[in-house]
Amino acid sequence: QVQLVESGGGVVQPGTSLRLSCAASGFTFSRHGMHWVRQDPGKGLEWVAVISDDGSNEFYADSVKGRFTISRDNSKNTLYLQMNSLRTEDTAVYFCVKTDCGNIGCKLFDYWGQGTLVTVSS
Amino acid sequence: DIQMTQSPSTLSASVGDRVTITCRASQSVSRWLAWFQQRPGKAPQLLIQQASSLQSGVPSRFSGRGSGTEFTLSISSLQPDDVATYYCQQYHTYPTFGGGTKVEIK
Repeated sequence: QVQLVESGGGVVQPGTSLRLSCAASGFTFSRHGMHWVRQDPGKGLEWVAVISDDGSNEFYADSVKGRFTISRDNSKNTLYLQMNSLRTEDTAVYFCVKTDCGNIGCKLFDYWGQGTLVTVSS
Repeated sequence: DIQMTQSPSTLSASVGDRVTITCRASQSVSRWLAWFQQRPGKAPQLLIQQASSLQSGVPSRFSGRGSGTEFTLSISSLQPDDVATYYCQQYHTYPTFGGGTKVEIK
């Protein structure tokens, strides 16, 4: 069965960096676009970024553009989110999400990981 | 961005009741609308895609309708296992979500 396991969350100060990872199994990782979605109890669910199946295309929400980078290593079945210049408003649970097809236009979220909590606080 | 508005924000009903949640989009999303169930402390789970297509394994008491800007999710006979928050999400353009509807048992 599909499993997505996020890691790398924690408590960090504003202006610092953090890298999240998502280990995928139970499907052919290299054939699926992947997304990061975050959830802040105050703001609900917010889409963050998408990467195509082969890693050649990426797209970001305006709120993270220029600060976050999505990437993947298909040889390790792992998705990443490099988060730089973190702000207090980036505090959220970050979910790794699988889509049903390969390109960055694939936006149907068919499986979600359990999430990892990122807290940005001084 | 397309704004998604759900109502009500909280719903309390008895076991066996029919319940309906509404989701409105700020512009047409055609039928590119999904519904998710999120139980406390868990990840969202896809229930319905393309407005009305039930995912495999989802109980048939769940149903979705609508197109364009107005959509509904119904539960024909509310069960204790259905206690959760339900979210709509459009995927016509880059994804946006409704604010959620918390379903409780009276």
